[in-house]
Amino acid sequence: NAGVTQTPKFRVLKTGQSMTLLCAQDMNHEYMYWYRQDPGMGLRLIHYSVGEGTTAKGEVPDGYNVSRLKKQNFLLGLESAAPSQTSVYFCASSRTGTRAYNEQFFGPGTRLTVL
Amino acid sequence: QQPVQSPQAVILREGEDAVINCSSSKALYSVHWYRQKHGEAPVFLMILLKGGEQKGHDKISASFNEKKQQSSLYLTASQLSYSGTYFCGTGASGAGSYQLTFGKGTKLSVIP
Repeated sequence: NAGVTQTPKFRVLKTGQSMTLLCAQDMNHEYMYWYRQDPGMGLRLIHYSVGEGTTAKGEVPDGYNVSRLKKQNFLLGLESAAPSQTSVYFCASSRTGTRAYNEQFFGPGTRLTVL
Repeated sequence: QQPVQSPQAVILREGEDAVINCSSSKALYSVHWYRQKHGEAPVFLMILLKGGEQKGHDKISASFNEKKQQSSLYLTASQLSYSGTYFCGTGASGAGSYQLTFGKGTKLSVIP
């Protein structure tokens, strides 16, 4: 099993460009999450999904959109990138939500730089 | 609102013990603990649920004080491999209970 994979691993964008980050998991998990990690800030939730076809906003959703068309995939889109979106992006998945003994499994991360 | 972790950083010699604290202003249902090594993804260590037993690591233990909305992670007889940044993630009791809110992390360095 590959677990959680993310594509791409690195990307450099110019301000105003768009891109999509892909997250895939092969554990048949219902829940998937997108986080961003900035120095000294910990992990902050951008959007999450509790099942195929559903999405919800997290703590810092502005400037991002997501889609969960297939259970195993969770896409994060940046329509018009800004330098403030320079960060490391982590995708995670879990079997169910936080009211159970269900750890989150994290992907390796995508390092995004916006110039 | 992010939970508050303390200390922000700690340096230990091999074999010493450490305690990392996580405190929230919200009523909690669950607390997760993760460790992240430099340049890698966070890795699960421990889950504690309100009113339940803990599930986690053999050599690491934790406590959850539901009344005070606090959790502590206990690292005993530290090894070099314990080095990394430790994050607590808290799950709220009410609406929005699907998501975790992570603290800013505690950087642990274990030296020979």
